[in-house]
Amino acid sequence: EAGVAQSPRYKIIEKRQSVAFWCNPISGHATLYWYQQILGQGPKLLIQFQNNGVVDDSQLPKDRFSAERLKGVDSTLKIQPAKLEDSAVYLCASSFFPFSPLHFGNGTRLTVT
Amino acid sequence: AQSVSQHNHHVILSEAASLELGCNYSYGGTVNLFWYVQYPGQHLQLLLKYFSGDPLVKGIKGFEAEFIKSKFSFNLRKPSVQWSDTAEYFCAVESNNNDMRFGAGTRLTVKP
Repeated sequence: EAGVAQSPRYKIIEKRQSVAFWCNPISGHATLYWYQQILGQGPKLLIQFQNNGVVDDSQLPKDRFSAERLKGVDSTLKIQPAKLEDSAVYLCASSFFPFSPLHFGNGTRLTVT
Repeated sequence: AQSVSQHNHHVILSEAASLELGCNYSYGGTVNLFWYVQYPGQHLQLLLKYFSGDPLVKGIKGFEAEFIKSKFSFNLRKPSVQWSDTAEYFCAVESNNNDMRFGAGTRLTVKP
């Protein structure tokens, strides 16, 4: 099966600019997650979707981060405006149903200068 | 909120040495437990999982983990490591609200 697709792989922006990441989960996976992984740390959940509804966004900095999954398939994560501390790898993961293992994409490495 | 602690930040072993990586979590309810591995230059992938039943679970590549409910622990073990096991290992805990949290990770370096 095709894996979780993410783009772009790398992005370099200046602080206060905006950026968007795209994720296409494995076909049929209803649950989609966005994680932020700062260098030296474990992945931190930003937002979780079940189909096109938000299950958990308690750790999403909503003043600057937004995410959507309009048709219950692919998803976009946006940061506007970016800060230096947003430099991280943004991981998308999907699972077939709740309580099943996650399948991760390769991530987008964001550098904010 | 639940949290996941991995005791070792970086572990260095010689080939054929035994491995044990610690993982403790704080959550009082029913949990599902996972170990994920990230090989250099690759994406995170599942190593093994525990949902219920036998607390000793076996995963890929000779890894196993033991769930000790009374200690809120899910330690990863391998009797004899290989150079190809060099990677970063993440413990993850999923609570019954489907909230998956990861530990900070343990970097394993195996010297040939």
